[in-house]
Amino acid sequence: AQRVTQPEKLLSVFKGAPVELKCNYSYSGSPELFWYVQYSRQRLQLLLRHISRESIKGFTADLNKGETSFHLKKPFAQEEDSAMYYCALRGTASKLTFGTGTRLQVTL
Amino acid sequence: DTGVSQNPRHKITKRGQNVTFRCDPISEHNRLYWYRQTLGQGPEFLTYFQNEAQLEKSRLLSDRFSAERPKGSFSTLEIQRTEQGDSAMYLCASSSNSGGMTDTQYFGPGTRLTVL
Repeated sequence: AQRVTQPEKLLSVFKGAPVELKCNYSYSGSPELFWYVQYSRQRLQLLLRHISRESIKGFTADLNKGETSFHLKKPFAQEEDSAMYYCALRGTASKLTFGTGTRLQVTL
Repeated sequence: DTGVSQNPRHKITKRGQNVTFRCDPISEHNRLYWYRQTLGQGPEFLTYFQNEAQLEKSRLLSDRFSAERPKGSFSTLEIQRTEQGDSAMYLCASSSNSGGMTDTQYFGPGTRLTVL
């Protein structure tokens, strides 16, 4: 079975502060991990995936197989980062398994 | 707009009625997925198609749910004898199978179902 855990429902940070959204997973094989973001009144969209090892909008995420984690990080939060963030896992099948999401709220 | 589209965007129905939703994927995408999202939860996988073939269906999916993709293009999701517990956002996504595991799923805006 595959499972994704996002322990925080809400993360509130000040503008300019560092951000870390936590994601832990459970999967017996080698998974693909993704972060999806949903801005207010917009559809769900891919932010980044571990295979690409890229930085998008200043966000990065490193897959830690030892800790089974894929935390999303950004050194300096911006107001426009306020959104709902979902961590997702894909195993051998094509479907995605999502976590429950974390709402990031960036305040002045 | 060349993204995934879904119709209707909102549906209100009475318990016991049947409802049907439509999803139009990105034109060159051969894979199509249906997910359901309830309040406070992430999207939950329901089923997926590669071209017209339905390759996987969630074990959690009631027999009242059926999906089709007759010509490998658009898809419909039908819920028969709706129950209040079916109230949710129904999301469609599509992707292109490039032969590896790196295809990206692009989501539609969803259809919000309310069962009274």
